[in-house]
Amino acid sequence: AQTVTQSQPEMSVQEAETVTLSCTYDTSESDYYLFWYKQPPSRQMILVIRQEAYKQQNATENRFSVNFQKAAKSFSLKISDSQLGDAAMYFCAYSGPYGKIIFGKGTRLHILP
Amino acid sequence: NAGVMQNPRHLVRRRGQEARLRCSPMKGHSHVYWYRQLPEEGLKFMVYLQKENIIDESGMPKERFSAEFPKEGPSILRIQQVVRGDSAAYFCASSPRSGGHTDTQYFGPGTRLTVL
Repeated sequence: AQTVTQSQPEMSVQEAETVTLSCTYDTSESDYYLFWYKQPPSRQMILVIRQEAYKQQNATENRFSVNFQKAAKSFSLKISDSQLGDAAMYFCAYSGPYGKIIFGKGTRLHILP
Repeated sequence: NAGVMQNPRHLVRRRGQEARLRCSPMKGHSHVYWYRQLPEEGLKFMVYLQKENIIDESGMPKERFSAEFPKEGPSILRIQQVVRGDSAAYFCASSPRSGGHTDTQYFGPGTRLTVL
């Protein structure tokens, strides 16, 4: 069975600094997708970034980038120039080729002004 | 293009009542997924449906829970004889692609169910 592990329940970062959220996963599949979702206090699930496992190049979206280490089954999220609006729960997630997403337990990120 | 819509946003039920949660996918999306989020936890997959078909219900509790996605109208998640442990946020997501292979799922705002 596939699993997703986020070992940091909470993290804090100073505004404008860089922070990295960790995630590891386990799967025997070769074709899969990895995601980071953000959940602010409104509870809306917002897709931050998506990575296809077959792509070696790390995905980036503006201030958000990932470090995808396929052999190590590691998928960390780096947030550069942290802003107050980045404060939220961040969920690492996995999906196989057909459908359901498996989420980690989340990391609560605090931004210190 | 309107996003995924869920209603009601908040639902309060007493133990033993029925709860019906509705999800209207984004226009052009034919795949719907339901997830449950207990307090302070991540989302857990419940069921994956296409129009008139249940594709994967491996995450659904064996009793009291059912889901449908009819040819016309929204997808419905139905919980019969609710208990306090059913209190959670229920999220619906939709995706456009048909015929297999994962596509991005777009989430609705969720329905928060409270069982008294």
